[in-house]
Amino acid sequence: AQSVSQHNHHVILSEAASLELGCNYSYGGTVNLFWYVQYPGQHLQLLLKYFSGDPLVKGIKGFEAEFIKSKFSFNLRKPSVQWSDTAEYFCAVNNQGGKLIFGQGTELSVKP
Amino acid sequence: GAGVSQSPSNKVTEKGKDVELRCDPISGHTALYWYRQSLGQGLEFLIYFQGNSAPDKSGLPSDRFSAERTGGSVSTLTIQRTQQEDSAVYLCASSSQTGVNSPLHFGNGTRLTVT
Repeated sequence: AQSVSQHNHHVILSEAASLELGCNYSYGGTVNLFWYVQYPGQHLQLLLKYFSGDPLVKGIKGFEAEFIKSKFSFNLRKPSVQWSDTAEYFCAVNNQGGKLIFGQGTELSVKP
Repeated sequence: GAGVSQSPSNKVTEKGKDVELRCDPISGHTALYWYRQSLGQGLEFLIYFQGNSAPDKSGLPSDRFSAERTGGSVSTLTIQRTQQEDSAVYLCASSSQTGVNSPLHFGNGTRLTVT
């Protein structure tokens, strides 16, 4: 069965630090990959997505993610975080069959 | 409305009672999803609809859970004989199509507390 694993449950960073959140999935076929973000008090929203082509995808607010097929990974990165990036981040995988499977989420706290 | 609307936003119920949660998707969105978000558990897939049919209901935890969608629009998730472990935030999302390329648009969820 498909599964998505996020390695870090809670990450605490200072402003301007670099960010990398890990995401691994288990599925051998073609996948679509997503990162969603949930800011405090707000609903989940799409941060970025990968379907095909360039494995390095750029999303909103300076975030990017790299799809490494050989490692079944889709890690999220940002060179310099801001306090406003404090949120919960979810990696998700869809195998083109309709069902989107989410990871457990990583809570990011950025200290001003 | 512009987004996915869920009601009620909060629901407190006694163990053993039935509850009904409602989701109004974005107008024109054919795909509709239900997820459950529990503390430390991430988002657990429950069921999704394409139009009024449910191609995948594999995530429903037990036969106490059921969902329906009428008119290709509003969906209701019903939990019968609620248990304390049903306490969670129930999220609804819709997209313009299912399968590929369409991001999900989420509602704010219904926070269910079973006492």
